[in-house]
Amino acid sequence: DTAVSQTPKYLVTQMGNDKSIKCEQNLGHDTMYWYKQDSKKFLKIMFSYNNKELIINETVPNRFSPKSPDKAHLNLHINSLELGDSAVYFCASSRITGSNEQFFGPGTRLTVL
Amino acid sequence: DAKTTQPPSMDCAEGRAANLPCNHSTISGNEYVYWYRQIHSQGPQYIIHGLKNNETNEMASLIITEDRKSSTLILPHATLRDTAVYYCIVRVGTGGTSYGKLTFGQGTILTVHP
Repeated sequence: DTAVSQTPKYLVTQMGNDKSIKCEQNLGHDTMYWYKQDSKKFLKIMFSYNNKELIINETVPNRFSPKSPDKAHLNLHINSLELGDSAVYFCASSRITGSNEQFFGPGTRLTVL
Repeated sequence: DAKTTQPPSMDCAEGRAANLPCNHSTISGNEYVYWYRQIHSQGPQYIIHGLKNNETNEMASLIITEDRKSSTLILPHATLRDTAVYYCIVRVGTGGTSYGKLTFGQGTILTVHP
């Protein structure tokens, strides 16, 4: 069974569009995260949610809005997509808040044309 | 967080031990050493972590020097599937709302060859 899953795996879209990426974890974890891996392969945290509550919000444009309908799901909605948003986005989860032992999903490769 | 330095790439023969070094000379007393790896086109995978004692699990061993300024991740019998980018991350331990913010540097590309 997949522990942390993301959909879609690939997303190709035009500049200016709005898109969403979905994440689900079946590990019963309390905390979920979104990370962005850029073209240079650096991976940095964007957001963290604990039991539907936002606890980390890094310097991310407000075009990015995470939403957590329940503690097993954390979706990422992106408005007015820009070329620079092209990256691989990873969802992760951890058993407790602030744990550095995180389980990552397979990633969503977003390409903005 | 303490800065870490890793070699950009290493090679290892299949079946041999892979020893991946990491320097973290500015590590603080309350910071742990974490290792993750990222196999091509997959998400990062947690491997192991430690504070000052050596640690071993089913995946690897972690050796931390006595002064804690460097560490080595050991994969005892490397296989082709261990080919990946290995990241050494120094972070304060679990807990609190400011923790869990992992930042991955460039890591070490380990290539295991037949």
